[in-house]
Amino acid sequence: EVQVLESGGGLVQPGGSLRLSCAASGFTFSIYAMSWVRQAPGKGLKWVSAISGSGGDTYYADSVKGRFTISRDNSKNTLFLQMNSLRAEDTAVYFCAKGPTISGWHNWFDPWGQGTLVTVSS
Amino acid sequence: EIVMTQSPATLSVSPGERATLSCRARQSVSINLAWYQQKPGQAPRLLIYGESTRATGIPARFSGSGSGTEFTLTISSLQSEDFAVYYCQQYNDWPYTFGQGTKLEIK
Repeated sequence: EVQVLESGGGLVQPGGSLRLSCAASGFTFSIYAMSWVRQAPGKGLKWVSAISGSGGDTYYADSVKGRFTISRDNSKNTLFLQMNSLRAEDTAVYFCAKGPTISGWHNWFDPWGQGTLVTVSS
Repeated sequence: EIVMTQSPATLSVSPGERATLSCRARQSVSINLAWYQQKPGQAPRLLIYGESTRATGIPARFSGSGSGTEFTLTISSLQSEDFAVYYCQQYNDWPYTFGQGTKLEIK
C-alpha cells in the first residue's frame, strides 16, 4: 500500500525553526515528485513546495520562498521541509503528498499523509 | 498565480439526489484540473484528475467535466458518505492553486 506519514510538527515561537519529515512506503520513492500542502485552521488548502524525484528541481510558493527549504533523502525514502523565520501565519496542518510524475510538473496529489500541525505562537 | 473560484460555497442536497459543483479558473488550465474530497479531521482524498479521470477506487457516481476555465464535479446519487468539503486544484502552472472549497451538506 502506498503511504506517506508526516512528523515533526509542534509549537514554535515566531522567528523560530522547525523541520518536518515525511516517511514514504509502498512505492519507488526516487521516481516520484513530492509536495507539501498546508491548511490553516478552518481554512482551505494551499500548496507550499514541491521537489522532483531526483531532488534536483525545487519549487516554492511566494509566501515561503527564502524561508522554507524542501529536500529529500531517496536512500531513506524521506521528504523534508526545513522551515525558518516562522510567522504566525505559517500556523497550519502540513500535509505531504505524492505526485504522479518524476518531474513535479503537472502534478496532482495522491495519496496524502494525515498531516502534522505546526503552531507558531509566543 | 491562477486564481480558482468554486461555487457555491455551500450546497445543500438530499441523499439520493444529484449534486453539481463548479470550479472556475481565471485563465485557462487546459485539462490540468483535479478534484479532492475532505472530511473533518482527515486528509484530502483524490477523486478526479486530468479533468475527468477517476482515481483508483473512486465510485462511478463521481464524474468530472470541462476544460479551459470552467469545470464541474457531478455526484450522480448522493450517499451519506459523500457529505464533505470538495476542492478543485489546477496543476497547469506554478504555483499550484486550489479553490476555496464547496461544503456539501445534507438537506
